[in-house]
Formats: sequence, structure tokens, C-alpha cells
Amino acid sequence: GAGVSQSPRYKVAKRGQDVALRCDPISGHVSLFWYQQALGQGPEFLTYFQNEAQLDKSGLPSDRFFAERPEGSVSTLKIQRTQQEDSAVYLCASSSAGGSYEQYFGPGTRLTVT
Amino acid sequence: GDSVTQMEGPVTLSEEAFLTINCTYTATGYPSLFWYVQYPGEGLQLLLKATKADDKGSNKGFEATYRKETTSFHLEKGSVQVSDSAVYFCALSKTGRRALTFGSGTRLQVQP
Repeated sequence: GAGVSQSPRYKVAKRGQDVALRCDPISGHVSLFWYQQALGQGPEFLTYFQNEAQLDKSGLPSDRFFAERPEGSVSTLKIQRTQQEDSAVYLCASSSAGGSYEQYFGPGTRLTVT
Repeated sequence: GDSVTQMEGPVTLSEEAFLTINCTYTATGYPSLFWYVQYPGEGLQLLLKATKADDKGSNKGFEATYRKETTSFHLEKGSVQVSDSAVYFCALSKTGRRALTFGSGTRLQVQP
């Protein structure tokens, strides 16, 4: 079956531009997570959805970051007025309902802000 | 806040050598603990997990035991293969909060 997919895989943005990153979770997975992974570091949590509800956005670094999942499936992470420090790999993960806590990760979108 | 500390890499071993990658954590309560692996060019994959103290997670010859007294979850394998070359991440999650807190990763290089 299909895993988590993300698009685009690579994005180059000029400083100040807005970007939108897409995540298609595994079909039927109710939970969706976004993480930011800087070069040489582990992923850091950004936000979490259960279905269409954003239950935790404590990791979003500023109000320039916004995520949505309007129909409880596909999610978009939007970054407004990109800065160089936003350069990172953005990972999406999904998991099914239940207590296994296993998250399935997509390949990530590498964002480079120039 | 919660945190995970891993030994720095890269760790370079010869094939069939014994592997240990150290992981310690700081967290209140009783977190669940995980090892994720990232093979070159691929996404993060769950390798093994343990959800309570003294549990041992195992998969593909890798093992890790949840030690609450030392707040550790060290990854071990008795005989590594070249195909085990990857970056390994230790992580935790807290009951009721699904987000994972990751360590910084340890790169393993296995030479033939």
C-alpha cells in the first residue's frame, strides 16, 4: 500500500516568499504530525492533527507558520515570509487511531531559503 | 522539558562487530521509548519500541531495554552488517501527548 507522500520533495524560496508544503497521509490514518529537521539534528515537533482538529501546535516556531487539514486527510504546512533559519527538511508522519503510537514518516520536503 | 541525549557519531564498525548506541532521556512520568532508523535516501522507520520499564524491544537483531533507574534505552546488536549503515534516532513520547521528542541521531557506518 502507499505510504505517506510529501510534495514537493525540494523547494527553493527567496527570503520573504511564502511556501506551501503538502502531506498525503496513509489512507485512514486519523493522526497527522509535522516535524522540522535541521541539518544534522533530530526532527522537532511542530504540530499535530486528529482528523481535521489541530490538537497541538505548541511546536510552531512563530506565527509565520500555519498548518491546516480541512477534510481530515491531506494537510498543508504554510510558511509566510520565509527566513533563512526556516531552511530545513519538513517531515510529515501519520498514525492510525489506537495506542500503538507508531508514526509512519514521509520522505520529507527539503526547503532552502536563499 | 523532555529531552533525549544520544552518543555522537559517526560510529564506524567492521562487519560482524558488536554495536551499542547510548541513549538517555529526561522526562516526567513514564514515557514510551523508541528507536527510529533512517537509511540513506529513505524516510524514518520505526525500528523498535518499549512502553514501560524493563520492557525489551527487538527487531531485525536489534534490542533495547527500557531502564527507568538509569533513564536509558541503549540500542544493541550482536553482529552488524553493511546494510545496517544508517542514522539511528532515539525518541520518546508521553502518555496523552502523541508528539515524539527525538535525539540528535547517531550515524552508523559499517565497513566490509
